[in-house]
Amino acid sequence: DAKTTQPTSMDCAEGRAANLPCNHSTISGNEYVYWYRQIHSQGPQYIIHGLKNNETNEMASLIITEDRKSSTLILPHATLRDTAVYYCIVSNAGNNRKLIWGLGTSLAVNP
Amino acid sequence: DTAVSQTPKYLVTQMGNDKSIKCEQNLGHDTMYWYKQDSKKFLKIMFSYNNKELIINETVPNRFSPKSPDKAHLNLHINSLELGDSAVYFCASSQVASGVLAWQFFGPGTRLTVL
Repeated sequence: DAKTTQPTSMDCAEGRAANLPCNHSTISGNEYVYWYRQIHSQGPQYIIHGLKNNETNEMASLIITEDRKSSTLILPHATLRDTAVYYCIVSNAGNNRKLIWGLGTSLAVNP
Repeated sequence: DTAVSQTPKYLVTQMGNDKSIKCEQNLGHDTMYWYKQDSKKFLKIMFSYNNKELIINETVPNRFSPKSPDKAHLNLHINSLELGDSAVYFCASSQVASGVLAWQFFGPGTRLTVL
């Protein structure tokens, strides 16, 4: 599975958009990009995933570059409850059901 | 309704003891996982079962033995506990649909402390 690179930490003002980048330059054609987050002391929570096209759900938007070598998770109106560690993972979506987790980006949403 | 539940939430025990952590999911998923998150916050896959069959077995000491009595349950038994086993253990489940790995649902974690 391809590796990802994320900034260690980021800050965001409450109510503003939080844009979390992720580099995955070695991604393969059949690998998806998944985003999860982990709020302190809780289990990781799925946010969104995509293959090529941009995706949006009630939590966030995922923008994947045309060459698929990087992506950005957008939280459109960050709240204090969005303070968490955000993980970007790329994974083969076939029978290999294994996700390789990095250290993610620690996002602090400030009042 | 809790989707993925784990018991116990906290477990404090002495070195050398044997302990079990239980996991249950009520989502009807066909795949379950055990992860270990150490003090540096790395989350590492340990095991995965699909319909009661072991499909992922990472480099884990054989003191760790998963058991899946049915596809809704995946328990983790640890023999001869060591200090280095202290960590948070997460159970997760997922479903493959149309050949695509769906997202994983995680339990709340079990914090194991070995003294």
